[in-house]
Amino acid sequence: TAGITQAPTSQILAAGRSMTLRCTQDMRHNAMYWYRQDLGLGLRLIHYSNTAGTTGKGEVPDGYSVSRANTDDFPLTLASAVPSQTSVYFCASRGILGTGGDGYTFGSGTRLTVV
Amino acid sequence: QKEVEQDPGPLSVPEGAIVSLNCTYSNSAFQYFMWYRQYSRKGPELLMYTYSSGNKEDGRFTAQVDKSSKYISLFIRDSQPSDSATYLCAMRTGNQFYFGTGTSLTVIP
Repeated sequence: TAGITQAPTSQILAAGRSMTLRCTQDMRHNAMYWYRQDLGLGLRLIHYSNTAGTTGKGEVPDGYSVSRANTDDFPLTLASAVPSQTSVYFCASRGILGTGGDGYTFGSGTRLTVV
Repeated sequence: QKEVEQDPGPLSVPEGAIVSLNCTYSNSAFQYFMWYRQYSRKGPELLMYTYSSGNKEDGRFTAQVDKSSKYISLFIRDSQPSDSATYLCAMRTGNQFYFGTGTSLTVIP
């Protein structure tokens, strides 16, 4: 089934440690996104990539970095985790920019707890 | 002021009821309006979308946009227990997406 695969599904991480959340899509979508979802705050954009080789900062980029070496993969790295990064992280992709009526395809999420 | 406001609920209704979910927004540049459904421990999935003002119907679901009032709604007719989920509204202008915080809905058998 075409879609987005995120790994791991959940993780407990010690504060100060680094971690990379993996995201792979098989739909050949140009644009990819990382969101975090927190109770009462909804989905907040961390970083995005409009096409392979380019990335941009979203609403809450501090403490996170991304890379986009190819169309399919968009990993999110936490260099030195802090408890405030405890959240559910969703990767999403979107087709050709500018087409009307489109929307995101989301992965199933990674539940991260930083202790 | 947030770009998109959505009442978080929770909303609890009996099976068969008509459900009304709503969002308000402040940016008049929004042109595309979407509703996502998110089941527990899953990612959001696109449920419906509309372009500009008007209504769109898909089975038991109707999406309504009133740009003059900056107000969008999702109606669910004959609600089912399987409709129990969190519903997020989303809006787009250009390549910028804005999401509501979601309304939690429980349909009681």
